[in-house]
Amino acid sequence: AQSVTQLDSHVSVSEGTPVLLRCNYSSSYSPSLFWYVQHPNKGLQLLLKYTSAATLVKGINGFEAEFKKSETSFHLTKPSAHMSDAAEYFCVVTAGYSTLTFGKGTMLLVSP
Amino acid sequence: DTGVSQDPRHKITKRGQNVTFRCDPISEHNRLYWYRQTLGQGPEFLTYFQNEAQLEKSRLLSDRFSAERPKGSFSTLEIQRTEQGDSAMYLCASSSHPRGTFEAFFGQGTRLTVV
Repeated sequence: AQSVTQLDSHVSVSEGTPVLLRCNYSSSYSPSLFWYVQHPNKGLQLLLKYTSAATLVKGINGFEAEFKKSETSFHLTKPSAHMSDAAEYFCVVTAGYSTLTFGKGTMLLVSP
Repeated sequence: DTGVSQDPRHKITKRGQNVTFRCDPISEHNRLYWYRQTLGQGPEFLTYFQNEAQLEKSRLLSDRFSAERPKGSFSTLEIQRTEQGDSAMYLCASSSHPRGTFEAFFGQGTRLTVV
């Protein structure tokens, strides 16, 4: 069994300040973990993925995430938010190369 | 455009009618997935295919839901006798599977409204 908990339903930041979106996972097997972003009226886009290589993963648009097995966490960060980062973000887990299990999402709001 | 394509993008139907959605995956991808997303929730897995074989269908929401992928290329998702609770975004994704390359690409979805 696998599950994901996104700890915040909404996160608000000012442009230029750091972003932290939190995700905890549960998995019976060694997991692969992903972050997807969904802009309004757009499809889900993969930001980054962890598949048992380096624990610090860099993605597109300056985002990165660190896999911490001891904490069962995979938090998403960005040093400096941009207005275009405003969107909904989903943490996703898969194990055993089967299906993707999504968290409920975190809405990121960026103010000028 | 070589991404995942879904048709139609929007569908409005009356309660009790049947609807069918189509998904065209990325051409070299052997896995195809269907998800449902309701407002304020993350996508919920429904079913998936590897080539033409449906490997998991126990998560289809009821026996009114069925999916096919007859030649291992495009897929259809059918909902019979639609109910208002079926109103949602239906997402299709595809991936290439052998091991180690699990990365799913999503289409833009079909938004179903049942009135």
